Amino acid sequence: DAKTTQPNSMESNEEEPVHLPCNHSTISGTDYIHWYRQLPSQGPEYVIHGLTSNVNNRMASLAIAEDRKSSTLILHRATLRDAAVYYCILRDGATGSNTGKLIFGQGTTLQVKP
Amino acid sequence: GAGVSQSPRYKVAKRGQDVALRCDPISGHVSLFWYQQALGQGPEFLTYFQNEAQLDKSGLPSDRFFAERPEGSVSTLKIQRTQQEDSAVYLCASSSRRTLREGSRVKETQYFGPGTRLLVL
Repeated sequence: DAKTTQPNSMESNEEEPVHLPCNHSTISGTDYIHWYRQLPSQGPEYVIHGLTSNVNNRMASLAIAEDRKSSTLILHRATLRDAAVYYCILRDGATGSNTGKLIFGQGTTLQVKP
Repeated sequence: GAGVSQSPRYKVAKRGQDVALRCDPISGHVSLFWYQQALGQGPEFLTYFQNEAQLDKSGLPSDRFFAERPEGSVSTLKIQRTQQEDSAVYLCASSSRRTLREGSRVKETQYFGPGTRLLVL
């Protein structure tokens, strides 16, 4: 699976938007971009995923660059409960021996200040 | 509905002791994954089951690690002769109510349990 690069940490103020960047310059045409987050002392949870087009759901939005070499997870109004480690993960939809496992990097630790 | 559960939540073992960690996936889920998460790191893949078949065990760090899912539901991760470097959080995840071909699995959301925190002294 292709590698992703994220900032180690970011800070945000409560009720303000947060833009979490992810670089994936070696992405292939069949790689899906997934985001998971991990709240303190919990297992990771799915946030959103996309392939080429921007995506929205109740938790967040995913903006994908036209060349797909980067993407941004957008939390429209950060709350204290959004403080977590956010992982950007590429998952190959075409590899022959693909189990669907997730390959996590270091992620971005988001701090939300009241 | 019930999510993925794991037990015990915490385990302290003496070096050399054998441990068994249990995962109860979401009912009906075909796929089950085990991950290991060291302190301050992201989770790392250990092994994957589709129903009772262990299709990928490439992430198991040594032959002291063994996983099983005999009836295609509950899974157990066993670590023999534990070492201090085995101290970590062990996460279980499940997904998919259908048996999927390989290329489709990447679209499936994985649902994680809270993990078992193992400390080897």
